Amino acid sequence: EVQLLESGGGLVQPGGSLRLSCAASGFTFSSYAMSWVRQAPGKGLEWVSAISATGGSTYDADSVKGRFTISRDNSKNTLYLQMNSLRAADTAVYYCVKSKGAAGTFDYWGQGTLVTVSS
Amino acid sequence: EIVLTQSPATLSLSPGERATLSCRASQSVSSSLGWYQQKPGQAPRLLIYDASNRATGIPARFSGSGSGTDFTLTISSLEPEDFAVYYCQQRSNWPLTFGGGTKVEIK
Repeated sequence: EVQLLESGGGLVQPGGSLRLSCAASGFTFSSYAMSWVRQAPGKGLEWVSAISATGGSTYDADSVKGRFTISRDNSKNTLYLQMNSLRAADTAVYYCVKSKGAAGTFDYWGQGTLVTVSS
Repeated sequence: EIVLTQSPATLSLSPGERATLSCRASQSVSSSLGWYQQKPGQAPRLLIYDASNRATGIPARFSGSGSGTDFTLTISSLEPEDFAVYYCQQRSNWPLTFGGGTKVEIK
């Protein structure tokens, strides 16, 4: 059974940093691209960042470019999102998402971790 | 950036009725479009990928069609558990984008 377990969310002040982790199990982690998708309270879904299976390629939404960094450790079956210079607009539930074969089709989602940016 | 526009924003229907949801892309995405269902307090679930392929475990009452810029998700006969928010999403171009969602509510 595929499982994606996010951690690292919490309350942070504007301008602060946070690192999210996602522990993956139930599939060959190193064979699949992964992404982070977020959802602000009461709002729709927004793709944030993606990383290829090997980690050699990454892609970011313009809204987080230069502030967030996606990475992975295939030896630990873990996906990360380093978030710097956080803003109130970054407040959201962050989902760890597995891609189905072709990158960009999200076939498994974690339950999400809430990040709140507030003073 | 490819903008996905979903309509209607809200669809009020009764169980057993047919639901037709639309997603229009600002430029062609070929068949690289998926549909997701989200219930309150839950993570989204993949329903349809590449415009018309049902994901694993998805009932046959869900079907997707379209290509290029116009796509449709059809629920042939609404079950009580189908009342939720539905999102389309394109994977044709970076950045990946989602539509704003259609809420299917009980009439």
